[in-house]
Amino acid sequence: QVQLVESGGGVVQPGRSLRLSCAASGFTFSRYAMYWVRQAPGKGLEWVAIISYDGSKKYYADSVKGRFTISRDNSKNTLFLQMNSLRAEDTAVYYCARDTSSGPLPDWSFDLWGRGTLVTVSS
Amino acid sequence: QSALTQPASVSGSPGQSITISCTGTSSDVGGYNYVSWYKQHPGKAPKLMIYDVSNRPSGVSNRFSGSKSGNTASLTISGLQAEDEADYYCSSYTTSSTLVVFGGGTKLTVL
Repeated sequence: QVQLVESGGGVVQPGRSLRLSCAASGFTFSRYAMYWVRQAPGKGLEWVAIISYDGSKKYYADSVKGRFTISRDNSKNTLFLQMNSLRAEDTAVYYCARDTSSGPLPDWSFDLWGRGTLVTVSS
Repeated sequence: QSALTQPASVSGSPGQSITISCTGTSSDVGGYNYVSWYKQHPGKAPKLMIYDVSNRPSGVSNRFSGSKSGNTASLTISGLQAEDEADYYCSSYTTSSTLVVFGGGTKLTVL
């Protein structure tokens, strides 16, 4: 079954850290660029980060640059998001998503999504 | 404020056609064919409906079509059905430091 399953969300105090995971199954994970996309409660979608299929290239939204780190373990079919110095405005459901195209050039569209994991930053 | 502009809401009756617009700039929608559209029901993950301006993923109904003119992309849904009622988001690659921008979303109501 082709799927993505996120985990690691929860309630965390401002300034603390959290690490999200996304387990992939049913497809060749190592062939696809992967993304994190978030959605604050009642708000729209916001792209967070992208990592290339081989992990050699990583890019971030300005809102998280310097605080979040995206990584992947292709041997374990898992995507990660390390979130440091969390702020109240980081409160959101975090989705991992797969690029529509396999290979070195991303399509910048997301054809497979997980169900999301909720991160709440509050004291 | 979102980088791409969508109407907050649109509505139509069953069987009718509706179009949702998505306006950007030459740095995103107008400059590249990396426009995609997503459907989202409340509390659920988004679903890809259109990618690369006008391509439909396998399994998406041909009632959904996409197009682009200048800096504005459009999603057209023909033969509206009750299950089309949802929020719709457009997205585009951008040359800004953000790399990917979304529209603010459009709530489609089937009357």
